[in-house]
Amino acid sequence: VQLVQSGAEVKKPGESLKISCKGSGYSFTSNWIGWVRQMPGKGLEWMGIIYPGDSDTRYSPSFQGQVSFSADKSTSTAYVQWSSLKASDTAMYYCARLDSSGWYYWGQGTLVTVSS
Amino acid sequence: QPVLTQPPSVSGAPGQRVTISCTGSSSNIGAGYNVLWYQQLPGTAPKLVIYGNSNRPSGVPARFSGSKSGTSASLGITGLQAEDEADYYCQSYDSSLSGWVFGGGTKLTVL
Repeated sequence: VQLVQSGAEVKKPGESLKISCKGSGYSFTSNWIGWVRQMPGKGLEWMGIIYPGDSDTRYSPSFQGQVSFSADKSTSTAYVQWSSLKASDTAMYYCARLDSSGWYYWGQGTLVTVSS
Repeated sequence: QPVLTQPPSVSGAPGQRVTISCTGSSSNIGAGYNVLWYQQLPGTAPKLVIYGNSNRPSGVPARFSGSKSGTSASLGITGLQAEDEADYYCQSYDSSLSGWVFGGGTKLTVL
């Protein structure tokens, strides 16, 4: 099982962005994928989850309306999208897969830097 | 503010035992939801070290243990080693928020 995330991004405030998390080694549609934010020098924050099988999505209240999750079954890839980035979106973003034991498999992280 | 409360830092000498607490409420740990613990080494993704309150994934040393009582949980590490120096996070599910929540994290320093 592997979750491979897209590379680091440098964007300006107001720009849009979509980062990805590609699953392999398992049936991508059978497990929830979660997203976690880690701002520089700070702790982990739960953003929400998506079920790739039917794109059922649940957002943490803190992230509702701020980001959008999606999944492409044909490419086994989950996405997080921002329509208008802010400097405060600067962070490392992780995806993780929910197993019976918990969130065991994690992606390597995608660093997003938003700066004018 | 994180929903689950952890001490910002703990420390111990090599070979000693340390515990890290995680305090929640009646909508998460106290509601019976399982607690998970993660280890995050600098510059790396979190690694699951305890699931289901007290279970260790394959490959995690027996030096790591977890417990839960009421609205709190604890992670114990015995026989401290330099490689254990990392940030540790607890996690549970919260019914009021209808989602997963993390503790603020605890930095473990091996003296």
